[in-house]
Amino acid sequence: DTEVTQTPKHLVMGMTNKKSLKCEQHMGHRAMYWYKQKAKKPPELMFVYSYEKLSINESVPSRFSPECPNSSLLNLHLHALQPEDSALYLCASSHSSGGGDTQYFGPGTRLTVL
Amino acid sequence: QKEVEQDPGPLSVPEGAIVSLNCTYSNSAFQYFMWYRQYSRKGPELLMYTYSSGNKEDGRFTAQVDKSSKYISLFIRDSQPSDSATYLCAMSEFGNQFYFGTGTSLTVIP
Repeated sequence: DTEVTQTPKHLVMGMTNKKSLKCEQHMGHRAMYWYKQKAKKPPELMFVYSYEKLSINESVPSRFSPECPNSSLLNLHLHALQPEDSALYLCASSHSSGGGDTQYFGPGTRLTVL
Repeated sequence: QKEVEQDPGPLSVPEGAIVSLNCTYSNSAFQYFMWYRQYSRKGPELLMYTYSSGNKEDGRFTAQVDKSSKYISLFIRDSQPSDSATYLCAMSEFGNQFYFGTGTSLTVIP
């Protein structure tokens, strides 16, 4: 099973709302990633968790707050977002952080900020 | 200079054609090379994964890596309309993050 699941599939939120995106994998992978993807662009790395610890934060604004409750779960908490944050948010996982393996992506959450 | 360069296309071919997709890169330390297929508004799906140089074949798909030229290719034989998607190359160096090309948009015309 090489499945990464993400919920919700779609999310519409106002700029004052607080919401969370969820990601789950049961492949025993120890690295999990959040990416942001705009239309016709490649995925843009936001955060990397390795063995449940935040290892990379690509200078992401604090209105995005990641959380890794355990080795199978990854959350992205959203607060006071801007319309330009509307995008497809992708979760991915791999055996370890970076090379030596490959990443498996979830289907994404399509986020619209009004 | 970007780490990974990929022609964005769009590329349009008739059904049954052989498709060649390519990426070049600048970091000679890259060891792991991947091709993903992404349908519109969906997450990327891993197609092929290659370590170091050489060829790898899986059904109608063949991935080639030429490390001396810093060039990777994906060939699709007997292309089908269902192959219409954006193809992303990605690569990494052990212990570091993944680098993506910009993606090539492919349309296979019935």
